[in-house]
Amino acid sequence: AQSVAQPEDQVNVAEGNPLTVKCTYSVSGNPYLFWYVQYPNRGLQFLLKYITGDNLVKGSYGFEAEFNKSQTSFHLKKPSALVSDSALYFCAFNTGFQKLVFGTGTRLLVSP
Amino acid sequence: DTEVTQTPKHLVMGMTNKKSLKCEQHMGHRAMYWYKQKAKKPPELMFVYSYEKLSINESVPSRFSPECPNSSLLNLHLHALQPEDSALYLCASRPGQPNTEAFFGQGTRLTVV
Repeated sequence: AQSVAQPEDQVNVAEGNPLTVKCTYSVSGNPYLFWYVQYPNRGLQFLLKYITGDNLVKGSYGFEAEFNKSQTSFHLKKPSALVSDSALYFCAFNTGFQKLVFGTGTRLLVSP
Repeated sequence: DTEVTQTPKHLVMGMTNKKSLKCEQHMGHRAMYWYKQKAKKPPELMFVYSYEKLSINESVPSRFSPECPNSSLLNLHLHALQPEDSALYLCASRPGQPNTEAFFGQGTRLTVV
C-alpha cells in the first residue's frame, strides 16, 4: 500500500538552530508530496509541495524541503527555527484520485 | 478570497440530536473534502466530492451524511452520533488536479454527549 511515514513523534530544537522534520514515502510512479502545518485547534496550512523538477522546494515561512528519490525521502527543513514554529507538521501525498493522505505527524517544539 | 469557511466553530450535541456542519469556499475549487481528526492524530478522510458528485466514501457510518448543494457549499449532516464521534471535523477544497494543494477550513470542534 502507498504511504508516507514520519518516523519521529516529536522533534525538539533550540531557537536559532536548524531544524529537520523527516518524511519518507512509498508511492508508486511520480509522487505528489506535500507538507502541512497545524497550530493548536486550527485547520491545516499548506507549506510547500513537490511535483516535479527541482529537488529543493522552497515554501512559506522560510521552510524548504528536499526531495531525494534514491532515499525516497522528503524532509522538511528550516535554517533557523523560531519559537513560533512550534506546531504539528504533516507530510502528505496525493494518490492521483484526489485522495490526500497524511502521515502520522511530527510535533515540533522550539525552545527559547 | 482564499478561505474555506466552516460553521459552526464549536458544536455540542446529544446522541439523539440532528445537526449539520457547513463548509463554504469561493475559490472555484471543484473538489471538496470532509476529514475527521482526533487529538494528536492525522486527519482521516471521510468523503470527497468532485464536481459536486460524491466520488469517495471511506466506509463512513450512515449516521454521517454528506451533501453538496452546489460547487461552493458542502454540508455534513449528523444524526444519532456516538461519543466516540467527538472530534475536529475539517473541510478542505482544491482545484481538482492531483498536483494542487488543498485549502483547509479551521474546523468544527464537535462534542457528542
